[in-house]
Order: sequence, then structure tokens, then C-alpha cells
Amino acid sequence: NAGVTQTPKFQVLKTGQSMTLQCAQDMNHNSMYWYRQDPGMGLRLIYYSASEGTTDKGEVPNGYNVSRLNKREFSLRLESAAPSQTSVYFCASSEALRGRRTSRGHFGDGTRLSIL
Amino acid sequence: KQEVTQIPAALSVPEGENLVLNCSFTDSAIYNLQWFRQDPGKGLTSLLLIQSSQREQTSGRLNASLDKSSGRSTLYIAASQPGDSATYLCALGGESGGGADGLTFGKGTHLIIQP
Repeated sequence: NAGVTQTPKFQVLKTGQSMTLQCAQDMNHNSMYWYRQDPGMGLRLIYYSASEGTTDKGEVPNGYNVSRLNKREFSLRLESAAPSQTSVYFCASSEALRGRRTSRGHFGDGTRLSIL
Repeated sequence: KQEVTQIPAALSVPEGENLVLNCSFTDSAIYNLQWFRQDPGKGLTSLLLIQSSQREQTSGRLNASLDKSSGRSTLYIAASQPGDSATYLCALGGESGGGADGLTFGKGTHLIIQP
């Protein structure tokens, strides 16, 4: 089972460059998420999509945009990369319908992004 | 804003010991609580999910409890093995989001099991 697949696994960018992180899940989950993980800060939610066609800001959305392309795919875009965005980015999915019982979160292996 | 604290931040014990990891949270209006495992350089693996109406969940040598009123959860690992070495993360889903609007994570407990 593939689960949640993230591409690329590693990326180095220069300040000001743009790039899109891709995420796809094959579990037919409604909800998808983007987190960043930084030393001493833990995991923080950037954006989420509770269902196909909707996206919402999380705790740290500044400098990012997202697209829920279809039920399977949820991409994260950095329009103008900054050194503060150096981090490990995780995509996740779950079966989480508002007001109903939720499933466990499934995470990808992460994208390690360095901004020089 | 929900705050999640995990104690201890790091723990090293000999193989075979039973151990307890602690998680505390400030807002009891939670929808669910999950315990995750993260291996170095890898993603997160969900170990146990406790819905807000439940008190505990068990999977093999792992048992997690939830006490919403006191804002606490514990992860009990029985008969620890070197393969249990990893970082363990506690994460909460907010009640207002019905479990759909993401998780709030603690910073984790880094666990080393000595052979």
C-alpha cells in the first residue's frame, strides 16, 4: 500500500525561488493536511483541506498557498522562498468528516527543504 | 489556543522495562487524541487513536489512556525492546473542528531502549 506519497524528498532552493510540493493519497480520505516540523517547535499545521474543494489556513499559513486538485492530491506552493521556510514538510490524510468519528492520521515520509 | 506538553523530553531505559510517557493539554474540548511514533528521518506512524468518549485503547504492548477532565493522557509501553527506540508524539484533534481541521502536536519524547 502506497498510503501518502510526497515528492520531492529533498530540495534546495535559493531565496526568492518558487516551488510546489506534491502530495497524493490512495486511501480515499476526505481530509488532507500540510505540516512543517522544525527543531524545538514540533509539528505545526500550515493548511488543511477538510473535503475536496475546500481549503483553510492552519497555524502558520503565511508564505504558502495550497491547492486541493482532487480528492487524492493536495499541493503546497512556496511563491517566494525565504530562509525561514527551511524545514521538513509533511503531508497527511485522514478520514475525518465533521462531527463523525475520525480515523488515524496517515503521514508521508516528508520533504526536506533548504532555502539558501 | 491548545497547548500540548510531553514529559519527559527524553528517556533512556534498559531493555525489558515497562515505561510511561506523559502528555498534558490545556483545553479539554478535544475530539480525539492520537499517539504517533517517528523514526529518525521518517514520517509519523499512528499507534493509537482515542476518541473523546473513550478512556483507553490498547494495541499489543501499548496502552494509551485519556482523562479529558484533567487534561492528561499516558502511553504505557510494556516490556520495552530496542526496536521501540523512537520519538513518540501526542496529538489532539479539536472539538470545534470535529476532527477534520488538523492536529495540535506536543514536541515529543525521545525514547532510547538500551540493549
